[in-house]
Amino acid sequence: DVKVTQSSRYLVKRTGEKVFLECVQDMDHENMFWYRQDPGLGLRLIYFSYDVKMKEKGDIPEGYSVSREKKERFSLILESASTNQTSMYLCASRSLWTGRYGYTFGSGTRLTVV
Amino acid sequence: DQQVKQNSPSLSVQEGRISILNCDYTNSMFDYFLWYKKYPAEGPTFLISISSIKDKNEDGRFTVFLNKSAKHLSLHIVPSQPGDSAVYFCAASASSGGSNYKLTFGKGTLLTVNP
Repeated sequence: DVKVTQSSRYLVKRTGEKVFLECVQDMDHENMFWYRQDPGLGLRLIYFSYDVKMKEKGDIPEGYSVSREKKERFSLILESASTNQTSMYLCASRSLWTGRYGYTFGSGTRLTVV
Repeated sequence: DQQVKQNSPSLSVQEGRISILNCDYTNSMFDYFLWYKKYPAEGPTFLISISSIKDKNEDGRFTVFLNKSAKHLSLHIVPSQPGDSAVYFCAASASSGGSNYKLTFGKGTLLTVNP
């Protein structure tokens, strides 16, 4: 069964901390994505990566950066966490060849910044 | 500019009845549509999809209808079950225009099925 694994289900961090959210997929997918989900706002794209070492800004990249050094791993970095970054973070991946048939999502990381 | 709109934030139905979730889109380049289901503290899971060359796709209790002229699609769940209670996201993609099949999501509709 194909999988997207996010390293933490729940995370509590302090304001100003540097936070790393890790995502690993075992499907050899080229494309990977980071979303955040907030009530009333739906899923908003933060960053995505079409392939290794490639990255593009999504709709709300401010305050975030990403790293994709290996095909299977896509990391989201909060350079200096703030309380407005408290959210559910979702990683997704897809194949370049079957990608139009949708994404596979991880289970999410609920991040609380205090 | 919201290209995929789910205008009902929530919907409540009785077990056994039909649930109808609606979605509108504005981008005429969209040619593939998907519905995802999301339980709390879990990632969204793919439910059903439809290509723009069709107007209906059915999978068990789930049917998606597409009205291209109205830029509207709907998800029908019959009969509704308590386990269907979740947030449903509508998503769309375009095969051209440089989007490279990137999905655009609506804000979601919370469906509650009451026993």
